[in-house]
Amino acid sequence: DGGITQSPKYLFRKEGQNVTLSCEQNLNHDAMYWYRQDPGQGLRLIYYSQIVNDFQKGDIAEGYSVSREKKESFPLTVTSAQKNPTAFYLCASRTAPYGYTFGSGTRLTVV
Amino acid sequence: AQSVTQLDSQVPVFEEAPVELRCNYSSSVSVYLFWYVQYPNQGLQLLLKYLSGSTLVESINGFEAEFNKSQTSFHLRKPSVHISDTAEYFCAVKSDDFGNEKLTFGTGTRLTIIP
Repeated sequence: DGGITQSPKYLFRKEGQNVTLSCEQNLNHDAMYWYRQDPGQGLRLIYYSQIVNDFQKGDIAEGYSVSREKKESFPLTVTSAQKNPTAFYLCASRTAPYGYTFGSGTRLTVV
Repeated sequence: AQSVTQLDSQVPVFEEAPVELRCNYSSSVSVYLFWYVQYPNQGLQLLLKYLSGSTLVESINGFEAEFNKSQTSFHLRKPSVHISDTAEYFCAVKSDDFGNEKLTFGTGTRLTIIP
């Protein structure tokens, strides 16, 4: 079945460490997105990519980095510069006309 | 710029009662509107969407939403809720302007069904 796979489901990070969240899709979608979810704040856009080797900052890109070397993959790195990284992270992809598909999420906790 | 307002953060409803989850949006151009549902510790699932055409859209599990351009609203309704409808519901908007890739979400409404 086609879909988006996010791994790991749960991730623990020590302060000062960088961690990378994986997002893989086999839907052949061109566009991919990373959202951050915090209680009571909905989803906020971190980064998005419309095509391989190209990506743009969203509303809260500071402290995060991404790459898009393959159409299927859009990993997100949470760097030590992100001061409050504990959150639920959701990856999504899109096909026309605006059919967004979401992964099952990664819950990141700083310990 | 586009924005979404979900005024109700929590809505408790008795089983088999009707429910309405409110969503208002703001945009200077035409929009596409979505409702997503999220169960605990899971991703978002598309419930229904308005892209064009009929302003009343329906989902397969009994929910419906009506696009009202004059009131800039896209409220979600169900005439009779079930325990399994307990979840968080997000309204989202995407403006129809070239180059705008952003899907903007509201803050969510937690629907709790009381047996």
